[in-house]
Amino acid sequence: GAVVSQHPSWVICKSGTSVKIECRSLDFQATTMFWYRQFPKQSLMLMATSNEGSKATYEQGVEKDKFLINHASLTLSTLTVTSAHPEDSSFYICSGKREYEQFFGPGTRLTVL
Amino acid sequence: DAKTTQPPSMDCAEGRAANLPCNHSTISGNEYVYWYRQIHSQGPQYIIHGLKNNETNEMASLIITEDRKSSTLILPHATLRDTAVYYCIVRVAGGTGNQFYFGTGTSLTVIP
Repeated sequence: GAVVSQHPSWVICKSGTSVKIECRSLDFQATTMFWYRQFPKQSLMLMATSNEGSKATYEQGVEKDKFLINHASLTLSTLTVTSAHPEDSSFYICSGKREYEQFFGPGTRLTVL
Repeated sequence: DAKTTQPPSMDCAEGRAANLPCNHSTISGNEYVYWYRQIHSQGPQYIIHGLKNNETNEMASLIITEDRKSSTLILPHATLRDTAVYYCIVRVAGGTGNQFYFGTGTSLTVIP
């Protein structure tokens, strides 16, 4: 199967700082990657669709200036949470699209103090 | 995208078949049914998908009703490691998006 990695697996930061999360497709090229957020005991919520070489498409209600997405290569997409606040604490999961499948990364646990 | 409805939780005895239902009564003709599962604090894992025919792989079987308004995921011999949240998703094939919109899922507990 296709493998997607995320880095870091967990991060703790102070309120007001920015945090970058990397999502890599290790054995396939992903022209499209997706970013999700998951709060405790809730389902995954799609945040944005990231297409290589173009601007990301954000879901309604997701602030594009707060959650910066860059998809500069076919194997790497990054999500930067800018000026993080405690309410941004969550589990962030990415996925890479190959044909009609999505392969998910292991997730990144963000805690903002 | 069509929405799905799943029971919030189910129990299954170890070694028995687990049958997880999903209702997708507003599904369109070109939408596939996908099943993923998520073990606590991990990314979702693909299980199986289908359009209108029943499907089987090494993990599970997918039974889709003739009218495609519902489906059932079958884990033939549940083990403790199958304890997870199972998500049923419908998605349009083709195009540039192929987004997945997750519902609330079914929390399956396999009991020894």
